[in-house]
Amino acid sequence: DGGITQSPKYLFRKEGQNVTLSCEQNLNHDAMYWYRQDPGQGLRLIYYSQIVNDFQKGDIAEGYSVSREKKESFPLTVTSAQKNPTAFYLCASSRQGFGNTIYFGEGSWLTVV
Amino acid sequence: KNQVEQSPQSLIILEGKNCTLQCNYTVSPFSNLRWYKQDTGRGPVSLTIMTFSENTKSNGRYTATLDADTKQSSLHITASQLSDSASYICVVSAGSKRTYKYIFGTGTRLKVLA
Repeated sequence: DGGITQSPKYLFRKEGQNVTLSCEQNLNHDAMYWYRQDPGQGLRLIYYSQIVNDFQKGDIAEGYSVSREKKESFPLTVTSAQKNPTAFYLCASSRQGFGNTIYFGEGSWLTVV
Repeated sequence: KNQVEQSPQSLIILEGKNCTLQCNYTVSPFSNLRWYKQDTGRGPVSLTIMTFSENTKSNGRYTATLDADTKQSSLHITASQLSDSASYICVVSAGSKRTYKYIFGTGTRLKVLA
């Protein structure tokens, strides 16, 4: 089946720890995105990548890092510099170009303990 | 400032009833508008897309409308079912071929009761 796979579904992070969320897509999409979702707020863009080996900061990139070494993969690292990381994280992808439909993964819940 | 506002914030209806969700946007330049359905704890799924020239589009029991002059869209759900309980998110594409972004509303949380 074609789609976007995020893992893990649930993740717990201790204070001062870096954690990495995985995102893999087999839709042959060039563009990939990471969004953060908090209760009562719209999705906020963390990072996006329109092509392999290139990525751009979104609206809330501080405390996060990404890589795009393969077209299919776009992992997100939540670093210890992110002071309020507890949230629902959504990975998405789309065909290259303006206004194309974004397809989302099933999301990952990150909780700081 | 590019903004997408949705109303109501939450809605409770009885199974079988109809409802209408609203989306107002101040986005320029406008490209298209999408409605997504998001079940709790899952990723959003696209329901419909509206371009500038389209006024109405249906997807089963879901009918979306767009008034580009007033910058308003609505999503009408007919004969609601328990499985319609979810958040509905309005997303507007803005920008140009070179620089574009997707602007998300905060969603309307719909609860359908038996």
